[in-house]
Amino acid sequence: GDSVTQMEGPVTLSEEACLTINCTYTATGYPSLFWYVQYPGEGLQLLLKATKADDKGSNKGFEATYRKETTSFHLEKGSVQVSDSAVYFCALSDGGSQGNLIFGKGTKLSVKP
Amino acid sequence: GVTQSPTHLIKTRGQQVTLRCSSQSGHNTVSWYQQALGQGPQFIFQYYREEENGRGNFPPRFSGLQFPNDSSELNVNALELDDSALYLCASSLPGHNTDTQYFGPGTRLTVL
Repeated sequence: GDSVTQMEGPVTLSEEACLTINCTYTATGYPSLFWYVQYPGEGLQLLLKATKADDKGSNKGFEATYRKETTSFHLEKGSVQVSDSAVYFCALSDGGSQGNLIFGKGTKLSVKP
Repeated sequence: GVTQSPTHLIKTRGQQVTLRCSSQSGHNTVSWYQQALGQGPQFIFQYYREEENGRGNFPPRFSGLQFPNDSSELNVNALELDDSALYLCASSLPGHNTDTQYFGPGTRLTVL
């Protein structure tokens, strides 16, 4: 079945460092891809999405490009802030009648001042 | 936005629990997820226009309802220790073939 694999954390960076969180997927169809963020004690917030190959999703300085050839959707940010400290989840939706999301296990990011 | 109640809940093994969710205005599809500690959310089921529209790998003691006002309930019978988790509700834009879901803050269930 469909699945998502994320790089394991935790990831600890200094403020203004570059961030990359790797995400690869396995899917039989043409899924939509998402990054969600979960701040401590909160639910999930949609960070960005891409619905087809070569699409780039972006929001709040974060970017991810849908790479069909490598089945990847890596999350990147050029300069992280302390406020970016959270757990990041990569997810896919196969767009079927259910439209349910399949999540990776999450990557915890801690940014130190 | 999506709201959920209660925020936290403590139950004992064997009891039953009902969790509630109010969807974002105009959304008619609601999905429920279970997030165990340190894990990603797992799909429980989805409701569209008051009918179950799909189900993940969860036993029948997990059941749900969706009401005409697009609010929803998740019921869990015969609670087990492994049911301790954060339960997330997510709503979607009209049309059941959509994939952008908006999540509530969750209900933290502890089973003792």
